[in-house]
Amino acid sequence: QVQLQESGPGLVKPSQTLSLTCTVSGGSISSGSYYWSWIRQPAGKGLEWIGRIYTSGSTNYNPSLKSRVTISVDTSKNQFSLKLSSVTAADTAVYYCARGITGTTEFDPWGQGTLVTVSS
Amino acid sequence: EIVLTQSPATLSLSPGERATLSCRASQSVSSYLAWYQQKPGQAPRLLIYDASNRATGIPARFSGSGSGTDFTLTISSLEPEDFAVYYCQQRSNWPTFGPGTKVDIK
Repeated sequence: QVQLQESGPGLVKPSQTLSLTCTVSGGSISSGSYYWSWIRQPAGKGLEWIGRIYTSGSTNYNPSLKSRVTISVDTSKNQFSLKLSSVTAADTAVYYCARGITGTTEFDPWGQGTLVTVSS
Repeated sequence: EIVLTQSPATLSLSPGERATLSCRASQSVSSYLAWYQQKPGQAPRLLIYDASNRATGIPARFSGSGSGTDFTLTISSLEPEDFAVYYCQQRSNWPTFGPGTKVDIK
């Protein structure tokens, strides 16, 4: 079955850009009516949807983060990526990638998550 | 933005007891609501989609109901592995999650 795995630096300095990649295995990122999302969770807190990308390249972002977020896809590597600019300590969180299906609500499956700490 | 409110924040129960978790939306989300279970150090796991449909592999003791603005997740008889945090999620406009209900052992 499809599996997702996040990767990227675990430590980012304030004002810099956070960059993460999600590698999809067990299926093609281009197949089906899927979209690919990033979701984050600060320690001890709830879940926040960051944005999504369709295999067409079309994107949607959380309005609260839209000015700082870019999500892209590399179908040749079966990966999609997140860039979050001008980070502060408030961006410290576990970042998850997850799959959605066009026209449906749920995210499934999810990656295991990766902790990103923003600190100097 | 559609805001999801979950109650109670914490539910203290014993194994074998019935758990009833509530999720309320600030405006109608039709049946476009999902439920997830999250254990410490793990990613959320999909339990229920479209308000009442169990995801693949989810035991029958988990059930979901509701539509519009009021939804319920019921665990008919708690097993030891069910003690976790439960989140609801909707997809209108953009996806948002509720703050979660922690089900802990009494």
